[in-house]
Amino acid sequence: DIQMTQSPSSLSASVGDRVTITCRASQSISSYLNWYQQKPGKAPKLLIYGASSLQSGVPSRFSGSGSETDFTLTISSLQPEDVATYYCQQSYSIPYTFGQGTKLQIK
Amino acid sequence: EVQLVESGGGLVQPGGSLRLSCAASGFAVSDYYFNWVRQAPGKGLEWVSVIYSGGSTYYADSVKGRFTISRHNSENTLYLQMNSLRAEDTAVYYCATTSPERITIFGVVRPFDLWGQGTLVTVSS
Repeated sequence: DIQMTQSPSSLSASVGDRVTITCRASQSISSYLNWYQQKPGKAPKLLIYGASSLQSGVPSRFSGSGSETDFTLTISSLQPEDVATYYCQQSYSIPYTFGQGTKLQIK
Repeated sequence: EVQLVESGGGLVQPGGSLRLSCAASGFAVSDYYFNWVRQAPGKGLEWVSVIYSGGSTYYADSVKGRFTISRHNSENTLYLQMNSLRAEDTAVYYCATTSPERITIFGVVRPFDLWGQGTLVTVSS
């Protein structure tokens, strides 16, 4: 099974800050990497697919990069509504594993 | 409008069984692949199972031999039959897929952009 490791597990930043979350796969997954945002009591929401493609309707302050084993989710200017937990997920092979999540809060 | 609506969650004793349903609208379950993803209270997301349009099924090791994913085409519904339930199966269960109108755009990556609202399963005596 492919293990997905996110860092940090939690993060506190100020409004307007640039925020970066990383995700590492235990083996190469090419660009089969997706990012989700989850707010309390809600289903996850797709933000980025294929490592760097922005899902329709997602603000352009969100971006993704990386390939093979190392990936990054960046929020260019943090907004209050970005408070959530973020998960990476590989869709390269079954089981379609998720990272453990990064909880993002406003400082 | 395409949507997924789960039902069937509830309280069950350890060793018991429960069947979850995920009703699809706006598209046919027979034509697409569907996943179950769960989230234990206060924990992260865990992929559970998938059924492909051709009928192939796969499971996480944690549920293999106890859970069965299936679909009923005429009811346009996905199911998850859960047997021999354990306390560690307590979670919100989501069905998730790639929405039909985005499949061509997403290509082979197949992210989960369509999710149900989730249904809570509690395994406790």
